[in-house]
Amino acid sequence: SQQGEEDPQALSIQEGENATMNCSYKTSINNLQWYRQNSGRGLVHLILIRSNEREKHSGRLRVTLDTSKKSSSLLITASRAADTASYFCATEEGDSSYKLIFGSGTRLLVRP
Amino acid sequence: EAGVAQSPRYKIIEKRQSVAFWCNPISGHATLYWYQQILGQGPKLLIQFQNNGVVDDSQLPKDRFSAERLKGVDSTLKIQPAKLEDSAVYLCASSFRTNEKLFFGSGTQLSVL
Repeated sequence: SQQGEEDPQALSIQEGENATMNCSYKTSINNLQWYRQNSGRGLVHLILIRSNEREKHSGRLRVTLDTSKKSSSLLITASRAADTASYFCATEEGDSSYKLIFGSGTRLLVRP
Repeated sequence: EAGVAQSPRYKIIEKRQSVAFWCNPISGHATLYWYQQILGQGPKLLIQFQNNGVVDDSQLPKDRFSAERLKGVDSTLKIQPAKLEDSAVYLCASSFRTNEKLFFGSGTQLSVL
């Protein structure tokens, strides 16, 4: 079953531009996480934001959470070619706080 | 800190054959996850262990897939017999606390011919 769904499915930007990806989910959550996956590799954890938080920063990453709209966004500022990857949001499934569900991801291409 | 170790990295088999994947999580991580990722899709949870007990295996095709985590450390995932649609990357992950910051291995890319 799908909990988080990213938008857009694919994004192509020029190096130096900002990239924004969105995630929508269906049921209440305890936290929402963002992961990055480079081609052919495992996923790497980026940020975890809890339901009582509205915004969180980590380096060039900024994550926002709007629980009233059941949505989150990931902003990458001053993008680099090395940011080219797929980005996934992950949330618990419904009332099952122990089952983490991933969306289908946003494929980001940063052109040099 | 050593990461999550998985082997093999690649595996090619014919349909109806069997295959096994191995995972060694980060030391001290009680929760271990196996995900299946089909090309172009997000990871799908197959089975989740808390120590050596199964927390969730609702999406594990139990007629052909099996997994165990003996002594609450290493884990193996087996497919027998394999089908063409099992071609995917099998990812193992572990976490210190359930569903908080998962650490993933590099995965095993399985091709079923």
